[in-house]
Amino acid sequence: EIVLTQSPGTLSLSPGERTTLSCRASRSVSSSQLAWYQQKPGQSPRLLIYDASNRATGIPDRFSGSGSGTDFTLTISRLEPEDFAVYYCQQYGSSPRTFGQGTKVEIK
Amino acid sequence: EVQLLESGGGLVQPGGSLRLSCAISGFTFNTSAMNWVRQAPGKGLEWVSTLSVSGGPRDYADSVKGRFTISRDSSKNTLYLQMNNLRADDTAIYYCAKSPAAYSSSWHTPFDPWGQGTLVTVSS
Repeated sequence: EIVLTQSPGTLSLSPGERTTLSCRASRSVSSSQLAWYQQKPGQSPRLLIYDASNRATGIPDRFSGSGSGTDFTLTISRLEPEDFAVYYCQQYGSSPRTFGQGTKVEIK
Repeated sequence: EVQLLESGGGLVQPGGSLRLSCAISGFTFNTSAMNWVRQAPGKGLEWVSTLSVSGGPRDYADSVKGRFTISRDSSKNTLYLQMNNLRADDTAIYYCAKSPAAYSSSWHTPFDPWGQGTLVTVSS
C-alpha cells in the first residue's frame, strides 16, 4: 500500500497569499497518477487536479499541481475566500487507492 | 449534466446489513468505472471499492473485503454497495464517485464527480 503523507496539517493564511501544499508518497506513484481534491464543510470532495498537474474542468488557473515519483505539490497562487477548505491528495495508480490525511487551509 | 444521488444509509446494529444505492443520470455505466469512498465523522477519505467499466472486475479495500459487494443494475441506472457484517468502524458518510470518461476502460482513475453522500451509523 502506498502511504501518502500531507504537510503541513494546517495552514493559517490570509486572502491573497500564495501557498504550497505537500504530498509525499511512501513509494513511487505509478505514471504520476495523483489527484488533489478540495472539500468544504458539509460538502462532498471536488476534483481539482489529476495526473499530478492537469486541472479538472472548471477549476481556476490559480490552482496548479506539480511533482512526480514520490513528491507532489498543490499550489494556490492567490487565495480567494472560497479556497479555505481541506485539501486531500490521492494516488490511483495502484491498489489500494489511497488518500493523504488532508491539509486544512484556514483563515488567519 | 452528470448527477449521482446516494440513498440507503441509516442506523444499523453491529453484525447487520445495509444496501446503499447510487442513482446516476447524465451518463451510462458502459462509459465509466464507478467507485465508493467513505469518510468517518471528522476524519479523512478512505477508498472502499471500484467496479470496472465492464461491470466485471471489482476491487476492494482490505478493510471491507469479504463483507462488502459492489454491483450495478444498468436497467435501473443504479450502483449498489451491499454491506454485510457491519462493524462500528464502518460508521461513515459513503460517497459514490464516477471515474472520468476520458479514462475509458481504465479503472485506475481519479474520482469526478462525487455524490452528496449517505450516512451509515453502526451502533447498538
